Amino acid sequence: EPEVTQTPSHQVTQMGQEVILRCVPISNHLYFYWYRQILGQKVEFLVSFYNNEISEKSEIFDDQFSVERPDGSNFTLKIRSTKLEDSAMYFCASGTAGIQYFGAGTRLSVL
Amino acid sequence: QKEVEQDPGPLSVPEGAIVSLNCTYSNSAFQYFMWYRQYSRKGPELLMYTYSSGNKEDGRFTAQVDKSSKYISLFIRDSQPSDSATYLCAMSLNQAGTALIFGKGTTLSVSS
Repeated sequence: EPEVTQTPSHQVTQMGQEVILRCVPISNHLYFYWYRQILGQKVEFLVSFYNNEISEKSEIFDDQFSVERPDGSNFTLKIRSTKLEDSAMYFCASGTAGIQYFGAGTRLSVL
Repeated sequence: QKEVEQDPGPLSVPEGAIVSLNCTYSNSAFQYFMWYRQYSRKGPELLMYTYSSGNKEDGRFTAQVDKSSKYISLFIRDSQPSDSATYLCAMSLNQAGTALIFGKGTTLSVSS
C-alpha cells in the first residue's frame, strides 16, 4: 500500500540553525501538506501546497518557514532559523479532495 | 470559528466492549469528517472518512455524522487490546488543499 515517507525520523539541531525536513508524498496525489504536533497538544496545520503554489497557510507559518517541491517526488519544509519552540513532531500529508494521508513524522529537537 | 472539541479521556474499557468516541464542532461549513488513529510518537493513520452527513461502516468501526447537531462519533465494536491508541477526529471544508482541523484526541486503553 502506498504511503507518505518522511526523513529523517529524528532531527536534532541547535537554536538558530536551518533545518530541512523531507517528504515523499503518495505518487498520484496532487495536494501536499505540513502539520506539526507539539508534545501533548493538537495536530496543527501549517501549510498546503498545490500546483507548485501555497494554497493555504496558518498564522504559525511565518517568514521563518518555506516549502518547496524541488522535483517530481520530494516535498520539503525549511525552517530558516530554528527556535526552541519549534521543537515538535512535523507531519507531511498528501491527498486528494478533502482526504489526507499522513507520514510517520519527523521529530525535531531544538537545543 | 474553526474549533473542534474532543474529550481527551483517558478511556479504559475491557476487551470486547463497545467504545463510543465523540467530537463536537462549531463551523457548520465543514463537509469532510475523518477519524485517525495515532500510536505514541507515530503519524495519524486514517481510519474512516465521511463526506457530509450519515453513517459509514467498516468492519468493527462505524462513523456517524450529525450535521444538525454538529456532532460526530466513532463506534468500535468488540474492542481489542490492539485498539489501544489515541483517536483523533478531524474535519475540513469542502475543497482540497484546505486545512484539517483536529480535535485533541481521546486516549483509549483496552485491557485483556
